Amino acid sequence: EAGVAQSPRYKIIEKRQSVAFWCNPISGHATLYWYQQILGQGPKLLIQFQNNGVVDDSQLPKDRFSAERLKGVDSTLKIQPAKLEDSAVYLCASSPQGGRVETQYFGPGTRLLVL
Amino acid sequence: GEDVEQSLFLSVREGDSSVINCTYTDSSSTYLYWYKQEPGAGLQLLTYIFSNMDMKQDQRLTVLLNKKDKHLSLRIADTQTGDSAIYFCAESIPGSYRPTFGRGTSLIVHP
Repeated sequence: EAGVAQSPRYKIIEKRQSVAFWCNPISGHATLYWYQQILGQGPKLLIQFQNNGVVDDSQLPKDRFSAERLKGVDSTLKIQPAKLEDSAVYLCASSPQGGRVETQYFGPGTRLLVL
Repeated sequence: GEDVEQSLFLSVREGDSSVINCTYTDSSSTYLYWYKQEPGAGLQLLTYIFSNMDMKQDQRLTVLLNKKDKHLSLRIADTQTGDSAIYFCAESIPGSYRPTFGRGTSLIVHP
């Protein structure tokens, strides 16, 4: 079974530029999550999708971050404009219907550096 | 509120046991998790325990829970160089999809 795929793996941009990350979850997984992991910290949930609907985006900085999952499969996370403090690893995870923590499978992450 | 704390570093000799510690603050019934993160990789769930349990063992891994002190530990027996990674402790309330993570403990295994 293929795992959660993410691209790109690394991205370097200058502040005020825009950037987008892509995630392809495990086949058949209805729930998709985006986490932000700042260096030296644990991951923090940004947004959760159930199929193509948003379940929880309370931790998403909506003035600059946006995410979509149009067909209930792949998802993109966008930052526009980026700030220095957005430098982090962005992890995507997916789980079957229900989304309990122990059923979440993580991708390898996209490492973002904002200069 | 939830808060999870861990020591930042642990160094052990290959073949010895490693013990990684974690404290949490949520006093309600909770699930507690241990994750492993290798360089450039995502998180891998190693094991988890519900707060009505005292201990859970899975091959080389032993989880101990002291509910009175809200203290959780992960013991890795016969530690190998492949165990070098960052280990995260996390907690969540039953039915939650949102875990609260600690800052992670970097385990370094040397020959």
